[in-house]
Amino acid sequence: DTGVSQDPRHKITKRGQNVTFRCDPISEHNRLYWYRQTLGQGPEFLTYFQNEAQLEKSRLLSDRFSAERPKGSFSTLEIQRTEQGDSAMYLCASSPQGPSMGYTFGSGTRLTVV
Amino acid sequence: DQQVKQNSPSLSVQEGRISILNCDYTNSMFDYFLWYKKYPAEGPTFLISISSIKDKNEDGRFTVFLNKSAKHLSLHIVPSQPGDSAVYFCAAKRRRDGGSQGNLIFGKGTKLSVKP
Repeated sequence: DTGVSQDPRHKITKRGQNVTFRCDPISEHNRLYWYRQTLGQGPEFLTYFQNEAQLEKSRLLSDRFSAERPKGSFSTLEIQRTEQGDSAMYLCASSPQGPSMGYTFGSGTRLTVV
Repeated sequence: DQQVKQNSPSLSVQEGRISILNCDYTNSMFDYFLWYKKYPAEGPTFLISISSIKDKNEDGRFTVFLNKSAKHLSLHIVPSQPGDSAVYFCAAKRRRDGGSQGNLIFGKGTKLSVKP
């Protein structure tokens, strides 16, 4: 297992277009998280899944954002009608279930909306 | 409101000396704290953690200290090496009702530069 994989690494899109990112977690991990990081900030929580169930969504996740994790394996994060304020690094992480488990992060997808 | 605060955006240290990175938190419900290191163009990498029932955890050159009464934790790196130059994030999570863990909440990070 090579860790958490995210695709693409970089995405440039025009304002108003839809984009979709993919995350492949570590196979034994049943929890999957999406975070967003902007310049000068720490990662900010967006949403998380336990297996295929989306258990929590942040207020940051507007109705233009949707995340799925069919079959509890890979996950996708879609942003519809992108805005310049959506420009950020989108990070995916996974973890096993348990109180003391740290997250393993992927390298992220850098989104630039022009 | 920011529940996890790293008030120093940057820190510069000479190689071989000690680096001390600080973190304060406001939520007394946090029961687990973690430090992550991040290089440019990579995701954060887990470094070391500490449970709220402890006041110190050590792993090689890295030691985390927790002062619950002051709601403060610190990461000590000794001796510091140029390869330690990165952004360090403090993160915390709390146990929710029913026993499940909440999500990680991160500080804004401190950029450490270790000069040869």
